[in-house]
Amino acid sequence: ETGVTQSPTHLIKTRGQQVTLRCSSQSGHNTVSWYQQALGQGPQFIFQYYREEENGRGNFPPRFSGLQFPNYSSELNVNALELDDSALYLCASSRVAGENNEQYFGPGTRLTVT
Amino acid sequence: AQSVTQPDIHITVSEGASLELRCNYSYGATPYLFWYVQSPGQGLQLLLKYFSGDTLVQGIKGFEAEFKRSQSSFNLRKPSVHWSDAAEYFCAVGTMEYGNKLVFGAGTILRVKS
Repeated sequence: ETGVTQSPTHLIKTRGQQVTLRCSSQSGHNTVSWYQQALGQGPQFIFQYYREEENGRGNFPPRFSGLQFPNYSSELNVNALELDDSALYLCASSRVAGENNEQYFGPGTRLTVT
Repeated sequence: AQSVTQPDIHITVSEGASLELRCNYSYGATPYLFWYVQSPGQGLQLLLKYFSGDTLVQGIKGFEAEFKRSQSSFNLRKPSVHWSDAAEYFCAVGTMEYGNKLVFGAGTILRVKS
């Protein structure tokens, strides 16, 4: 069983640029969630996608957007990057059914905005 | 709104000593509770979860946690700490509602001294 993978591992961008982060869900999972983890903090929920539709969103501005594809891989796009967007971005996949709804996390993408 | 408090930012224990990491949550309905561990530069690994039933749950790596509804707590324990347990630990509360998301505490950094 393949786990959750993310790419790239590290990324450096300049303020004002746009970035795309990618996530491949664990086999059999149709839900993906994205989290932002700033240095020294716990992860914060950005949004979730279920069957290619946004299924809940945290307190993040519209310049954070996402996509989920038919194969359940996912992208997180951030436009007009700000210095405060520097963080570890985690994606997590899960099944949406019953009690077995734990989320499996990928290793993350470390984004640095200069 | 859901919230999670981990009162201890750092904890240092001697190898072989017992460990308890505190977690308090705020949530109006029956919570789903999780403990995750994060090693430096890594993603999150699930240690254990509580959905319902027995309030003492066993996890991986010898960890256990006890759900106490009256105290809104879900403390993590381990009887004998190993040097490899040094990491950051996150408590999280989740829901089974539409847009299932996890709300994380700020984390507790565990240091193990030999």
